[in-house]
Amino acid sequence: EADIYQTPRYLVIGTGKKITLECSQTMGHDKMYWYQQDPGMELHLIHYSYGVNSTEKGDLSSESTVSRIRTEHFPLTLESARPSHTSQYLCASQGSFSTDTQYFGPGTRLTVL
Amino acid sequence: QKEVEQDPGPLSVPEGAIVSLNCTYSNSAFQYFMWYRQYSRKGPELLMYTYSSGNKEDGRFTAQVDKSSKYISLFIRDSQPSDSATYLCAMSVNSGNTPLVFGKGTRLSVIA
Repeated sequence: EADIYQTPRYLVIGTGKKITLECSQTMGHDKMYWYQQDPGMELHLIHYSYGVNSTEKGDLSSESTVSRIRTEHFPLTLESARPSHTSQYLCASQGSFSTDTQYFGPGTRLTVL
Repeated sequence: QKEVEQDPGPLSVPEGAIVSLNCTYSNSAFQYFMWYRQYSRKGPELLMYTYSSGNKEDGRFTAQVDKSSKYISLFIRDSQPSDSATYLCAMSVNSGNTPLVFGKGTRLSVIA
């Protein structure tokens, strides 16, 4: 069973605020990912990291930024939240072996008013 | 054309039915194939994982890969209301070294 945590689970915030969504995993996985998913819609990869101090942008253009200072921690930051950022944000992690697959956290549901 | 195509449904079946969920793909380099199940307002959870062509069975679930046709399937036998969820297929060229490519997901409802 994967141990990957996201906080907060739900967040309602006003336009213009800076927010950080937290993601932590206790499995020592090198690879971590952030996805954005609107209700009933497909997953969009927005950022990923293959190790400490390594971050890449995904397929979906995003105004968010990420950092990877520690293996277990991969926070996502929005400098100035807008209503268009309202969505569910899912974090995932993956081990280094070729047979490893991604394990997802429970998600953060963000609403920007 | 998207790399992975999946009919979004929704698909509604009676309890006890056999369900077939499918994905097609265009990249012949895909080697690893996964099915995830996502309940409403939850993160996806890994259901089945296969490598190369063939079948893999786990309880009521069977994953099938046909690389020659670039087609994968998930069969659910004796479907239960608790199987009601969105099922996403995912695949990668080299699992662990490249991000997974996901299908859009098929929403399944099993009616008691």
